[in-house]
Amino acid sequence: LAKTTQPISMDSYEGQEVNITCSHNNIATNDYITWYQQFPSQGPRFIIQGYKTKVTNEVASLFIPADRKSSTLSLPRVSLSDTAVYYCLVGNSGYSTLTFGKGTMLLVSP
Amino acid sequence: GAVVSQHPSRVICKSGTSVKIECRSLDFQATTMFWYRQFPKQSLMLMATSNEGSKATYEQGVEKDKFLINHASLTLSTLTVTSAHPEDSSFYICSAIPRDRGFNEKLFFGSGTQLSVL
Repeated sequence: LAKTTQPISMDSYEGQEVNITCSHNNIATNDYITWYQQFPSQGPRFIIQGYKTKVTNEVASLFIPADRKSSTLSLPRVSLSDTAVYYCLVGNSGYSTLTFGKGTMLLVSP
Repeated sequence: GAVVSQHPSRVICKSGTSVKIECRSLDFQATTMFWYRQFPKQSLMLMATSNEGSKATYEQGVEKDKFLINHASLTLSTLTVTSAHPEDSSFYICSAIPRDRGFNEKLFFGSGTQLSVL
């Protein structure tokens, strides 16, 4: 299973763009990269998933370099409600269990 | 989107009693469901993988006789904490993978159950 490394915490202010990078040096060929968001006392919520290059949806963008050994979650113009823990997972959920790393605690201040 | 319902959201029980937590996929069939445990300010820790119609696969260090998992249908998995003790107090979360989806399918999570054992 590919192990992931993320910053423990990040601070930002409302309206700023936040980029959270995840390292996954031993990612396998058929592994996907998925990011989840978790608020206190709630289950994680899917944010975005990608395999290579760039993926964008209505809430975030995911940048994956050609070697796929890292990925960056980009949150545009964060608000206070984006304060949460963000987890980067690597794997293919259909055939292997996905292991949660420590995650990144993002604190957005006014 | 796919919805996973988890019930109850919070339970308080006396030491020595058993507690059952239900995890239902509301609008899809789930061949596989996962059970996680999360202590305060820590990450999710996988406890077991539940496959419909077969025995659950437990992670190392998780007592299968204490944490009973039943996945009797494609929409329901249950976790029973038997003879609960204060150290079992934790946040329990289930997740599910829709059946017949690609191997990159994302997980759908329940809202979690906060178990407090007195």
